[in-house]
Amino acid sequence: EAQVTQNPRYLITVTGKKLTVTCSQNMNHEYMSWYRQDPGLGLRQIYYSMNVEVTDKGDVPEGYKVSRKEKRNFPLILESPSPNQTSLYFCASSSHPSRGRASYEQYFGPGTRLTVT
Amino acid sequence: RKEVEQDPGPFNVPEGATVAFNCTYSNSASQSFFWYRQDCRKEPKLLMSVYSSGNEDGRFTAQLNRASQYISLLIRDSKLSDSATYLCVVNLMDSNYQLIWGAGTKLIIKP
Repeated sequence: EAQVTQNPRYLITVTGKKLTVTCSQNMNHEYMSWYRQDPGLGLRQIYYSMNVEVTDKGDVPEGYKVSRKEKRNFPLILESPSPNQTSLYFCASSSHPSRGRASYEQYFGPGTRLTVT
Repeated sequence: RKEVEQDPGPFNVPEGATVAFNCTYSNSASQSFFWYRQDCRKEPKLLMSVYSSGNEDGRFTAQLNRASQYISLLIRDSKLSDSATYLCVVNLMDSNYQLIWGAGTKLIIKP
C-alpha cells in the first residue's frame, strides 16, 4: 500500500528536550516536505527536499532541522523545543514538481500532534 | 493580507442542498490551483485540481476566475460524508514549487 508514515503520532515533551519526528514514504517520491498546522492558519511549510541530500527552508524553518540521507526518509528534528512549537505536524511527499501539474498531488502522513510544555 | 484567503465557516447546510465557497489569492502570478479535503484530525487529501476552463468531478465543480483572482468549489446534492474542511491551495510555479495553503472552510452537512 502506497503511504507516508510518521512517528510518533502523539508526543508531549518539555522545553529544551531534543526530539525527532520520523517520516517515511514508499512511493519513490523525490519531493518531501514538512508542514505545521495551527488553528486559523493554513498549512505552513517548514522545510522541503527536492531529492537526496537537497534540503531548503520553507516559510517557518526557525527552530527546526531536517536531513535527507535516503530517498524514503525525511526526519524532522527539534533541537530545543519551545512551547510555540506546539502544533500538528504533517509530512508530505510527491513526485518532483518539475514533472507537471499531476506531480503536485501531495500525499500526507497521518500527522504528529506535538505538545511542548 | 494573507496570500490565500478562505471564509473559515462553518457552513451549515442541509443534506441534499447545493453549497459553494470561494478562495481568493493575492499573487496574480499564481499558476496552479487545487482543492484539498481534510477530515477532522486527519491528513489533507487532494479533492481536485482547478483548470482554467473549469472542471467537474461528479457532484463537485471547480472554477477559476483569474480576473478577480479567486477559485470556487461547488458541491451539489450534498451528502453527510461531505462534512469536512476544504483547503484551497495555490502554486506560483516559481523555482521553489512552493504551495500556498488557505486556512480552510469548514462544511457541516446536517441530516
